[in-house]
Amino acid sequence: SAVISQKPSRDICQRGTSLTIQCQVDSQVTMMFWYRQQPGQSLTLIATANQGSEATYESGFVIDKFPISRPNLTFSTLTVSNMSPEDSSIYLCSAWDRGETQYFGPGTRLLVL
Amino acid sequence: KQEVTQIPAALSVPEGENLVLNCSFTDSAIYNLQWFRQDPGKGLTSLLLIQSSQREQTSGRLNASLDKSSGRSTLYIAASQPGDSATYLCAVRGSSGDKLTFGTGTRLAVRP
Repeated sequence: SAVISQKPSRDICQRGTSLTIQCQVDSQVTMMFWYRQQPGQSLTLIATANQGSEATYESGFVIDKFPISRPNLTFSTLTVSNMSPEDSSIYLCSAWDRGETQYFGPGTRLLVL
Repeated sequence: KQEVTQIPAALSVPEGENLVLNCSFTDSAIYNLQWFRQDPGKGLTSLLLIQSSQREQTSGRLNASLDKSSGRSTLYIAASQPGDSATYLCAVRGSSGDKLTFGTGTRLAVRP
């Protein structure tokens, strides 16, 4: 199994600013993902974080708004840029090795005022 | 595009009842299916993983079944307890084996 930690666990930010969320996995994993969960909703995939190359974004999400880094097989960051109140959500990091269970971090609760 | 639906959206039962949560998906070409539990304000805890070649998985009081041809999975919870109160999410991984598509969730409340 993989244990995933995220920092910060929560934050309150002003509109127009940016926040970087860090995700650390306790073992090397093939794939890492970033999800968003808006209030009362299910999870939506933002992007797949690729080690050593640009992330793969889902429809509706762009690199300028959600830049992602993955410098190695255990760490990734997601930045939420130029925030607006509509970005208030829980952001979840996830990790998966092919064929196995996919694991999730505890999430980062973001409130944008 | 895969779509995953869960019924019911919410469920309230007295302690001790056996219950069934349903998940349906539109594309039967899947790699695997996973059931998760999410407590309020928390991340996701994996409950059961069913590979596409399997028909069911069991863990303690939980049993999940998979019928790929009909695009359905059920999560059976035996002898429910107040600690089972949470939102239960079904997620399907496509046959290309890359990403999970999540269902809408079932919010379960077990009354003491």
